[in-house]
Amino acid sequence: DAGVTQSPTHLIKTRGQQVTLRCSPKSGHDTVSWYQQALGQGPQFIFQYYEEEERQRGNFPDRFSGHQFPNYSSELNVNALLLGDSALYLCASSSLLERSYNEQFFGPGTRLTVL
Amino acid sequence: KQEVTQIPAALSVPEGENLVLNCSFTDSAIYNLQWFRQDPGKGLTSLLLIQSSQREQTSGRLNASLDKSSGRSTLYIAASQPGDSATYLCALSHSSYKLIFGSGTRLLVRP
Repeated sequence: DAGVTQSPTHLIKTRGQQVTLRCSPKSGHDTVSWYQQALGQGPQFIFQYYEEEERQRGNFPDRFSGHQFPNYSSELNVNALLLGDSALYLCASSSLLERSYNEQFFGPGTRLTVL
Repeated sequence: KQEVTQIPAALSVPEGENLVLNCSFTDSAIYNLQWFRQDPGKGLTSLLLIQSSQREQTSGRLNASLDKSSGRSTLYIAASQPGDSATYLCALSHSSYKLIFGSGTRLLVRP
């Protein structure tokens, strides 16, 4: 049973560019959340998707957008990249259909470097 | 606004020692609390989840407790091993939405 997978593992972009990160949830999970983790900090919530809709959003600008597909996989898009967007981007999946008490399972992350 | 604090920020212990990591939070109306392990540059591995109605959870050498009234959770690691070296993060949620994380405790277990 595959866990949460993310691609790519590493990415280098320049300021002003756009980037798309991808996530496939754990089998049986229907909810995907995205987090940004700066070096030495805990992850910060970006947004969560369920039934192809954004359920909740953290304190991130509109440059951060997402999408969820019918197979529950998800994309995170960041436009007009800034140096401060350099971070580890983590995807987490969970299930609202099971009594899982929102236990979230994380992928390996995508390391984004903005030059 | 919920704030999560983890103390100490870093800890170095000799192999075999029992240790306690602390997590404190300001809003006791939580849905659940999770402890995670993170190796350098890697994703998060879920260690234990404590529901708001529970007081503790155990898995192998790990035991996590939750005291909502005092806004505290502890992660107890018995007989520490060098392989336990990692950053340990606590995170809590108020619903089925976002997790709110502390900044973590970096643990080094010396052989």
